[in-house]
Amino acid sequence: GQQLNQSPQSMFIQEGEDVSMNCTSSSIFNTWLWYKQDPGEGPVLLIALYKAGELTSNGRLTAQFGITRKDSFLNISASIPSDVGIYFCAGFNAGGTSYGKLTFGQGTILTVHP
Amino acid sequence: GAVVSQHPSRVICKSGTSVKIECRSLDFQATTMFWYRQFPKKSLMLMATSNEGSKATYEQGVEKDKFLINHASLTLSTLTVTSAHPEDSSFYICSARNRDLWNTEAFFGQGTRLTVV
Repeated sequence: GQQLNQSPQSMFIQEGEDVSMNCTSSSIFNTWLWYKQDPGEGPVLLIALYKAGELTSNGRLTAQFGITRKDSFLNISASIPSDVGIYFCAGFNAGGTSYGKLTFGQGTILTVHP
Repeated sequence: GAVVSQHPSRVICKSGTSVKIECRSLDFQATTMFWYRQFPKKSLMLMATSNEGSKATYEQGVEKDKFLINHASLTLSTLTVTSAHPEDSSFYICSARNRDLWNTEAFFGQGTRLTVV
């Protein structure tokens, strides 16, 4: 099925550094979501974006919904060891026959060295 | 908050047996739940959309008779892996969307690690 193009696929950074990852799509979504997944756990919602151009922060996390509705980015500032995990972007369109199915990016594996 | 509970978290079964995985929305009603399969360090692959009171909608390539889905109430969906084989070993995750907040995000269960021996 369709997937979002998420990059980078993996990142190895030092504690304290900032991180940026993004997702692009060939089709429009009216909602963008960012999730984090720890090993052996289900994804946990970090940030939800509902309006084109919207910039939303959640602590050290900042995400933006692109104006074209075909892209989004997630920034993590001053990374810490517990930021380690896999980050997924997801897009969906409410209503219609899709039942609001999520379309996921391939994921970004983040490793933070102390 | 919106809590989705998945059970069991881990299960080991013998080839040829069936395994049932439950997905419950604990503090909201969900007319729609989704079942995913995930391979190590890979993205989530949607298997089927579970609709309360009706048949599930399966994604292309997913065997309906192999992965039986039942969504008998607004808070419970089950996935049964029938006649399990080692290649069915994987991480299975469910998600649910609040019926009253249909245009908002979905929340995920903790996942179930299935190992078929």
